[in-house]
Amino acid sequence: DIQMTQSPSSLSASVGDRVTITCRASQYIATYLYWYQQKPGKAPKLLIYGATSLQDGVPSRFSGSGAETDFTLTISSLQREDSATYYCQQSYDTPLTFGGGTKVEIK
Amino acid sequence: EVPLVESGGGLVQPGGSLRLSCEASGFSFSSSWMHWVRQVPGKGLMWVGRINSDGSSITYADSVRGRFTISRDNAKNTLYLQMNSLRADDTAVYYCARIGAFWGQGTLVTVSS
Repeated sequence: DIQMTQSPSSLSASVGDRVTITCRASQYIATYLYWYQQKPGKAPKLLIYGATSLQDGVPSRFSGSGAETDFTLTISSLQREDSATYYCQQSYDTPLTFGGGTKVEIK
Repeated sequence: EVPLVESGGGLVQPGGSLRLSCEASGFSFSSSWMHWVRQVPGKGLMWVGRINSDGSSITYADSVRGRFTISRDNAKNTLYLQMNSLRADDTAVYYCARIGAFWGQGTLVTVSS
């Protein structure tokens, strides 16, 4: 199975800060990488697909980068509504696997 | 319009069975590979399994293989998850998804005596 390791597991930042979350795959996954945002009691919401493509309707302050095994989600200017847990997920091979999540809190 | 709506969750005793349904709308269900994902409340996401568009290929996570069965009815735009021999550690919110943009709202399955 492909292990997805996310870091940090949690962070606290101020409105306007630049926030970076990393995700490392245990083996090559090309760009078969999604990023999701999940708020309590809600389903995951797609932010980024194909490692770098922004889903329609998602604010442009979100961006994704990386390929092969190392990936990054960046929020260029954190907003209050970005308080949530973020997950990466690989779709290169089954079983599909998710990172452990990064909880983002606003100071 | 909500693209995926799950139903069928609830409380079941250990060893019991439950069938979840997921009704799709607003996208081409019959050409979509569909997945089930679960999440223990307060914990991370775990993939349960997937079925290809015509139902001829199904893959399961090791933890559910032999106990859970995924099926679909393209005429009814509906995905199913038959869960047998349920255990306490199957307790979770179950989501159906077309991995990527389309997820249901989730249905809670609680396995407890």
